[in-house]
Amino acid sequence: DVKVTQSSRYLVKRTGEKVFLECVQDMDHENMFWYRQDPGLGLRLIYFSYDVKMKEKGDIPEGYSVSREKKERFSLILESASTNQTSMYLCASRLGKSYGYTFGSGTRLTVV
Amino acid sequence: GENVEQHPSTLSVQEGDSAVIKCTYSDSASNYFPWYKQELGKRPQLIIDIRSNVGEKKDQRIAVTLNKTAKHFSLHITETQPEDSAVYFCAASPANTGNQFYFGTGTSLTVIP
Repeated sequence: DVKVTQSSRYLVKRTGEKVFLECVQDMDHENMFWYRQDPGLGLRLIYFSYDVKMKEKGDIPEGYSVSREKKERFSLILESASTNQTSMYLCASRLGKSYGYTFGSGTRLTVV
Repeated sequence: GENVEQHPSTLSVQEGDSAVIKCTYSDSASNYFPWYKQELGKRPQLIIDIRSNVGEKKDQRIAVTLNKTAKHFSLHITETQPEDSAVYFCAASPANTGNQFYFGTGTSLTVIP
């Protein structure tokens, strides 16, 4: 089974802090994704990457950036955290177009 | 881009009854449609998927149907059990863009014992 591991289950950060969310997958998947999940809004795509050092904006990239220096690791960065970034963040990876996502367990981020 | 709409947002059924969740999509190029189940506090898990060259797929009590002409697909759960209670998400994946999914907003299913 593919494992997608998110480094933190819960995080509490202060407004203005720089926040790093880490995601690691162990099955050599090329495609990795960051979503945020909010009640009533479903899962919204922030950024994705289809190869090392490659990144593409999703539907809501404002206030976020990403880094993919190694194939197995995809990091989400909140440059200056704000309270409206309080959310559940889900990382996912995918082998290719004919396959589903495998999700990580999620990081519940609270910005105070 | 693709737009996926999902209905209903909440659904309550008696144990043993059937549950149906419907999704519509806008991009005719979408060719892969997975369904995810998310139990409270857990990660979404793929439960069934269907590709555009297939009209129906079954896996025990779960089935998915796809109508490409009408651009809608549905999840059917028969003989529901309390452990089916969860949030269900549909998604669509266009063939001609990146490898991302576009998700519906989710259906919270409650099975009443």
